[in-house]
Amino acid sequence: GESVGLHLPTLSVQEGDNSIINCAYSNSASDYFIWYKQESGKGPQFIIDIRSNMDKRQGQRVTVLLNKTVKHLSLQIAATQPGDSAVYFCAENSPAGGTSYGKLTFGQGTILTVHP
Amino acid sequence: DTAVSQTPKYLVTQMGNDKSIKCEQNLGHDTMYWYKQDSKKFLKIMFSYNNKELIINETVPNRFSPKSPDKAHLNLHINSLELGDSAVYFCASSQVEGNSPLHFGNGTRLTVT
Repeated sequence: GESVGLHLPTLSVQEGDNSIINCAYSNSASDYFIWYKQESGKGPQFIIDIRSNMDKRQGQRVTVLLNKTVKHLSLQIAATQPGDSAVYFCAENSPAGGTSYGKLTFGQGTILTVHP
Repeated sequence: DTAVSQTPKYLVTQMGNDKSIKCEQNLGHDTMYWYKQDSKKFLKIMFSYNNKELIINETVPNRFSPKSPDKAHLNLHINSLELGDSAVYFCASSQVEGNSPLHFGNGTRLTVT
């Protein structure tokens, strides 16, 4: 199941199950969203992205859903494998004040643990 | 070949010292960044540079000074290190500021004692 407490939210699943990781973003002006996977001792690794003019995008075993009405983003991982165990971050790109450039802001992160 | 490489991977130093972290990317990207990840895994942007020009400077103490000698390099120099500077620092680069994914290095774990 999923729980939120003083530490990072965690999600534990069995190998082969589908996983859903949720993220609430803060800025209604955000126009681009990315999901990252971070394994221990490594930097965040790009998984999939979506622009604000879309509500769904699919990759290999992963799907990102965007609900702009409630400012919610989710990552679905099909047939989860032990190698998917990591911390998952959502990130939103929002305009940096006074410039034409954006700024990528990361969410809190969710720990996914996949049991064989 | 490592796309975004930063050195050193580990840095242990005493309070008050000055240290530098180097970053290089071979992706041909125009934009580079420094992010700080604290003990709770929270990632926060510190700086971004586009083609050697400073674009974003978050509320980071003046003790932190980024330097970009060319668009493939963005180094981070930290003066008068404090205990609270202990964290993992990530360098990243992207093709287009704000609308393309960031590619991260594997981080530098800084420990200030």
